Formats: sequence, structure tokens, C-alpha cells
Amino acid sequence: AQSVAQPEDQVNVAEGNPLTVKCTYSVSGNPYLFWYVQYPNRGLQFLLKYITGDNLVKGSYGFEAEFNKSQTSFHLKKPSALVSDSALYFCAVRVPSGSARQLTFGSGTQLTVLP
Amino acid sequence: DAGVTQSPTHLIKTRGQQVTLRCSPKSGHDTVSWYQQALGQGPQFIFQYYEEEERQRGNFPDRFSGHQFPNYSSELNVNALLLGDSALYLCASSAGTGTGNSPLHFGNGTRLTVT
Repeated sequence: AQSVAQPEDQVNVAEGNPLTVKCTYSVSGNPYLFWYVQYPNRGLQFLLKYITGDNLVKGSYGFEAEFNKSQTSFHLKKPSALVSDSALYFCAVRVPSGSARQLTFGSGTQLTVLP
Repeated sequence: DAGVTQSPTHLIKTRGQQVTLRCSPKSGHDTVSWYQQALGQGPQFIFQYYEEEERQRGNFPDRFSGHQFPNYSSELNVNALLLGDSALYLCASSAGTGTGNSPLHFGNGTRLTVT
């Protein structure tokens, strides 16, 4: 079975500093990896995805993520955090075939950017 | 271009009652997936509908059922409500059954409270 772990429930960072939100995954086969963001009382918004190719993927709002196959990680990063980045972030994994094609989410990391 | 729309936004029900939630997919999408997001948790996959049939199902009891209509809209029905069914119910749409690499598009959800 596929699974995603987000080891930090809460990440605090000062505005202007770099941020990292951690994600590790466990799947059989090659994964498709995604990051989503959720603002209060809203649905999830897609940020970026890794399918294949370059391990560093760039997404919306200046976010990027690095795929590391040996460490089975897909950490979300941003060089300079904004207060408006404060939200709940979810990492998700999908395998492209078989019985587990649905998206499996981590438990989420609450990011707070302090002014 | 309308995104994914869900109704109602909020709902309060009593234990043992039945509830129906509704979802209209993003224009051009033909597949609808439903997720349950309990407070402080990541979304959990309930099931997916494509061509008016349930294609995949997560680990949810038969009390959870669904339907997809010819216009691709969908309903989620929950019978014999339990207190533990209180959650944010998210609908997500995509083109095809999700075996590709396209991200899901989420609605803002229906907040169900069971008392």
C-alpha cells in the first residue's frame, strides 16, 4: 500500500527566510508526487507535481520541490517566505496503474510565516 | 470557466439520518472523486466515478454510496450517520480516471456536522 508521511505538524518561519516542508513516501513502483495547499474553509489548490525527469520541479507562487528517489522524499521549498504563504500544505502520491491509482495524502503541515 | 462546485457548503444532521452531497465537476472533466477530510487530517479517498460507474473505492463502509449523472455531476450519499462522519467532504474532478499525471481540481467542500 502507498503512504505519505509529513513529519512536521507545524513549521514556523520568518518572512523573507527560506522555508522547507518535508515529505517522504512509500510506494511500489514509480510514484507521481504532488503538493497541494489549503486555506481555511477552502478546498485544496494544486501547487506542483513530479512525474519524471528533472528532480527539481517548479510550481505556483514561487514554490519548488526536490524529488530524491534514494531517500524517497519530496520536500517543498521556497527561497523567501511571504506572510501570505501561511496555510496548510499536503503532500500526495499516486501510482499510475494497479489498484492504488487514487491520490493518497499525508496528514498535512501547517506553515506559519511570521512578519 | 467554472471550477468544481459543491453544495451545500454546510450541513448539520442528527445521528442515524441520511445525507446527500452534490458536486459539479470543472468544465471539460468527466471523472469525479470524493474525499473525506476529518479535522486535523489529510483527505481520505472514498470513491471515484467515471462513465456513471464506481471505478475505485477506498476503505469506507457501504453506508457511503454515490452516483454519477450523464452530465458528469455526482452525489455522495451517507446513510445511518455516525458522529464520526463529521468532516469536510471534498469533491475533486479530473479528465479521465486519473491514471495520468494531471492534478485533481478540488471544490471548497461541504462541512458536515453530525450531532
